[in-house]
Amino acid sequence: DQQVKQNSPSLSVQEGRISILNCDYTNSMFDYFLWYKKYPAEGPTFLISISSIKDKNEDGRFTVFLNKSAKHLSLHIVPSQPGDSAVYFCAASPGLFGNEKLTFGTGTRLTIIP
Amino acid sequence: DSGVTQTPKHLITATGQRVTLRCSPRSGDLSVYWYQQSLDQGLQFLIQYYNGEERAKGNILERFSAQQFPDLHSELNLSSLELGDSALYFCASSPPESADTQYFGPGTRLTVL
Repeated sequence: DQQVKQNSPSLSVQEGRISILNCDYTNSMFDYFLWYKKYPAEGPTFLISISSIKDKNEDGRFTVFLNKSAKHLSLHIVPSQPGDSAVYFCAASPGLFGNEKLTFGTGTRLTIIP
Repeated sequence: DSGVTQTPKHLITATGQRVTLRCSPRSGDLSVYWYQQSLDQGLQFLIQYYNGEERAKGNILERFSAQQFPDLHSELNLSSLELGDSALYFCASSPPESADTQYFGPGTRLTVL
């Protein structure tokens, strides 16, 4: 049972345009959401997170939006740069002390076209 | 560089064997997590330790075990290895003040032949 879903395995975006990566979840106990970026042969790198009490969090070129009623979150990258080409994982946590395990989606491979 | 180190980087072994993967968390982090990433799969949570004690368990096989030592480094032991155990194994750590944000090591690629 895939509790966190990233339905687009890949996405290509022109350099300078906006990249939008989507993620859906089914478990209403999830309270904290994160995006990780992964380059080949490296571990996932934390990008940005959002708590369920917010609907938006921004950090530079990266913005995460959360729609709790739709159980949907998205990551916007603007403007997209060649270095953003990577696999992006959405992850969710119950946000309970002592149970911070992350449930990951299967990832979306983003390719930025120069 | 996340500050989390994992050794070895690569491991090739045969079915039926036993291996140990090692992880050193970031300085000051008390929690260590282990994840498995098989081909074309997302990361699957295996187990979490907090300050030496097991805190949460995921889909970890009985053939697998882990521990966290007093110096907070952790080891993941995989025994009676099968072909299907070939995967990337990641360790992550998190600080006490922000336990939901986990920082990942570079991973150990295990190949079982």
